[in-house]
Amino acid sequence: DAGVIQSPRHEVTEMGQEVTLRCKPISGHNSLFWYRQTMMRGLELLIYFNNNVPIDDSGMPEDRFSAKMPNASFSTLKIQPSEPRDSAVYFCASTGHYTGELFFGEGSRLTVL
Amino acid sequence: RKEVEQDPGPFNVPEGATVAFNCTYSNSASQSFFWYRQDCRKEPKLLMSVYSSGNEDGRFTAQLNRASQYISLLIRDSKLSDSATYLCVSGAGNMLTFGGGTRLMVKP
Repeated sequence: DAGVIQSPRHEVTEMGQEVTLRCKPISGHNSLFWYRQTMMRGLELLIYFNNNVPIDDSGMPEDRFSAKMPNASFSTLKIQPSEPRDSAVYFCASTGHYTGELFFGEGSRLTVL
Repeated sequence: RKEVEQDPGPFNVPEGATVAFNCTYSNSASQSFFWYRQDCRKEPKLLMSVYSSGNEDGRFTAQLNRASQYISLLIRDSKLSDSATYLCVSGAGNMLTFGGGTRLMVKP
């Protein structure tokens, strides 16, 4: 069975450029999460969707960050304009009707120069 | 103060040793608790859930103390393959909050 699929796996970009990260959750899962992981701050929840609707975006750092989930099988996290402090690994995770287990994708490693 | 706090380690132990990790959580509304494992440069994966009565899965034992808002993980007879970062997690509904992780290195 396919797990959570994220793309790109790695991205290196220059400050000021737009970055779009993509996620395909596990089929049938109705909740999707975007997390960011850095050495300094650990794993932080950015935004959480339930049935394609954003439920909690209080973790989104600022207006430069936006996330969408146009349908049950696709979500994007966009950073515009990107800054060096956005460098991190961004994980997407999904879960079905509450089981307590999050299934993470392999992550998108972003470096902003 | 972080909502879930863990000693970052690293814990360096020899093969066969018993090692224990602890964490504390601050959200008294938390209803669910877990330990996740994360290997270097990989994604986190669920290791085990943590129940009030305590639970065991092979060499791993998890305990929860709601009164003290404290969670523990005990690993017996540690293996080289147990080397990883262990993330303590508390949850309210579908919202899971992760600790910073405790790094374990098991040496031959």
